[in-house]
Amino acid sequence: GAGVSQSPSNKVTEKGKDVELRCDPISGHTALYWYRQSLGQGLEFLIYFQGNSAPDKSGLPSDRFSAERTGGSVSTLTIQRTQQEDSAVYLCASSLSGRWETQYFGPGTRLLVL
Amino acid sequence: GQNIDQPTEMTATEGAIVQINCTYQTSGFNGLFWYQQHAGEAPTFLSYNVLDGLEEKGRFSSFLSRSKGYSYLLLKELQMKDSASYLCAFYNQGGKLIFGQGTELSVKP
Repeated sequence: GAGVSQSPSNKVTEKGKDVELRCDPISGHTALYWYRQSLGQGLEFLIYFQGNSAPDKSGLPSDRFSAERTGGSVSTLTIQRTQQEDSAVYLCASSLSGRWETQYFGPGTRLLVL
Repeated sequence: GQNIDQPTEMTATEGAIVQINCTYQTSGFNGLFWYQQHAGEAPTFLSYNVLDGLEEKGRFSSFLSRSKGYSYLLLKELQMKDSASYLCAFYNQGGKLIFGQGTELSVKP
């Protein structure tokens, strides 16, 4: 596609439920990143994919968070047993072939946990 | 350690020039980025500096001094649509893009 796309654009869920957030990177980009942006905070790195593998998961805040990538393209970020503090904008970015390159961001998924 | 600092907010007048500063500390450095983020939208790439000096791109310029751990974004001929958050970010030694908290720029008529 022309740019990074994410779905859903907004998600409201109840505390304790699981959610899945999807990211479609720019076609041909092998590197994919997930970030979290809380109100008034900077972007917080969550996880980095190179192809289908995740060499850096160091930003995942707890074991309730997981992500996978299939076919070297689409990625899904899953949050299990959501908590109110998980409410944030989840942004996905991709770059052409790896780290040190310009990252291009999607519009984000705004998650609200009630 | 590593950290990055930029002013929280700035105000400027339409048609004027504004400079947004960013200072950083890191043991390894692999380039500095500026992104623009309008409210409710994705960050969009503005500029990238890996060597010292000024990079000019239309109304926007970005400067880097690696020895001082300092960068700035210069916006000329300000327009109302330039009202946005401006994010400074650098790649650390481990390949992680570290972001500042962003500078909220308000352009007034």
